[in-house]
Amino acid sequence: NAGVTQTPKFQVLKTGQSMTLQCAQDMNHNSMYWYRQDPGMGLRLIYYSASEGTTDKGEVPNGYNVSRLNKREFSLRLESAAPSQTSVYFCASLFRARNTEAFFGQGTRLTVV
Amino acid sequence: AQSVTQLGSHVSVSEGALVLLRCNYSSSVPPYLFWYVQYPNQGLQLLLKYTSAATLVKGINGFEAEFKKSETSFHLTKPSAHMSDAAEYFCAVSGYGGATNKLIFGTGTLLAVQP
Repeated sequence: NAGVTQTPKFQVLKTGQSMTLQCAQDMNHNSMYWYRQDPGMGLRLIYYSASEGTTDKGEVPNGYNVSRLNKREFSLRLESAAPSQTSVYFCASLFRARNTEAFFGQGTRLTVV
Repeated sequence: AQSVTQLGSHVSVSEGALVLLRCNYSSSVPPYLFWYVQYPNQGLQLLLKYTSAATLVKGINGFEAEFKKSETSFHLTKPSAHMSDAAEYFCAVSGYGGATNKLIFGTGTLLAVQP
């Protein structure tokens, strides 16, 4: 049981380049989330998908787009990367019901130069 | 809207001393509350979660937290710190259903344990 898998683990981009971060879960969860983690700022919610076919903005959505491809997969796209998007990105999933635990991927460390 | 405030970005304790990490929440609906731990270069792992059944919640590794509605708090405690407890701890809040399905985290508290 792999849980939540994120790819890639590391990435360096030049300013203006685009890329997609991939996330897949095999736990049959219906809700999925993308966060960024920056020192002193905790985890900030970028976008989430409460269920297949829906996506909503979180706290810091500017500069990002998402796609809920199917129940398993939730991708995050940076159309034109900026140095301010240098961060560690985490994907998470959970069962949309009371008090369920969110499971996290191992993170993607992105550097934009 | 939901939010979480963690008081103290860095906390240092001696091995064997009491650990107290503070979390206050704001929620327009009955909250569901969580504490997660993050070890260096790893993802987040659930320590404990609040269910409406009991206000005192016990988690893994000897941690526990008490839900106090009157104080809107959910502080994390451990009676005796161990070196292996050194990590970053995050409090999180969510609600059930609709727009409250967001899972919102605090800014984290880095716990150092001194020998």
